[in-house]
Amino acid sequence: DAKTTQPTSMDCAEGRAANLPCNHSTISGNEYVYWYRQIHSQGPQYIIHGLKNNETNEMASLIITEDRKSSTLILPHATLRDTAVYYCIVRVEAGGTSYGKLTFGQGTILTVHP
Amino acid sequence: ETGVTQTPRHLVMGMTNKKSLKCEQHLGHNAMYWYKQSAKKPLELMFVYNFKEQTENNSVPSRFSPECPNSSHLFLHLHTLQPEDSALYLCASSQGGQGAYGYTFGSGTRLTVV
Repeated sequence: DAKTTQPTSMDCAEGRAANLPCNHSTISGNEYVYWYRQIHSQGPQYIIHGLKNNETNEMASLIITEDRKSSTLILPHATLRDTAVYYCIVRVEAGGTSYGKLTFGQGTILTVHP
Repeated sequence: ETGVTQTPRHLVMGMTNKKSLKCEQHLGHNAMYWYKQSAKKPLELMFVYNFKEQTENNSVPSRFSPECPNSSHLFLHLHTLQPEDSALYLCASSQGGQGAYGYTFGSGTRLTVV
């Protein structure tokens, strides 16, 4: 699976958009970009994933550049509860009964302040 | 509640004790995982079970012994642990073919070895 690079930490004001970048310059054509987050002392939680098109769900938006070498997770209106470690993970889609495993890096510590 | 339940939430044990961590999921997933998260370190994948069969052991010391009696339950048996084994132990499950977005994590067991 391709390696990802994320900033160590970021700050965001409550109510503003939080834009979390991720570089994955060695991504290959069949690898997806996934985002998870981990609130303090809890298990990671899935946020969103995409291949090459931009994606949006009730939690966030994912913008993937045309060359797919980087992406940005956008939390449109950050709240204090969004304070967490955000992980960008690149991996191939598991097929059939194959499970596929998640490999976590250091992630970005996002702090949302009042 | 995520659908993956881990017990106990907290555990303090001596180096000569034997204890077990339990993980249970009723999501119909066929793959289950143990991860270890030490302070200020990324999550480390320890073991993977797919359809009750162990498919990965990432060089984990033998003082950690996993058991998967069925696809819904996963145990981690602990004996003669060291203080450096103190960490958050996370269980996760996934359904084959769904890719990483299908991962569901439990809330973890905070283990302290004294």
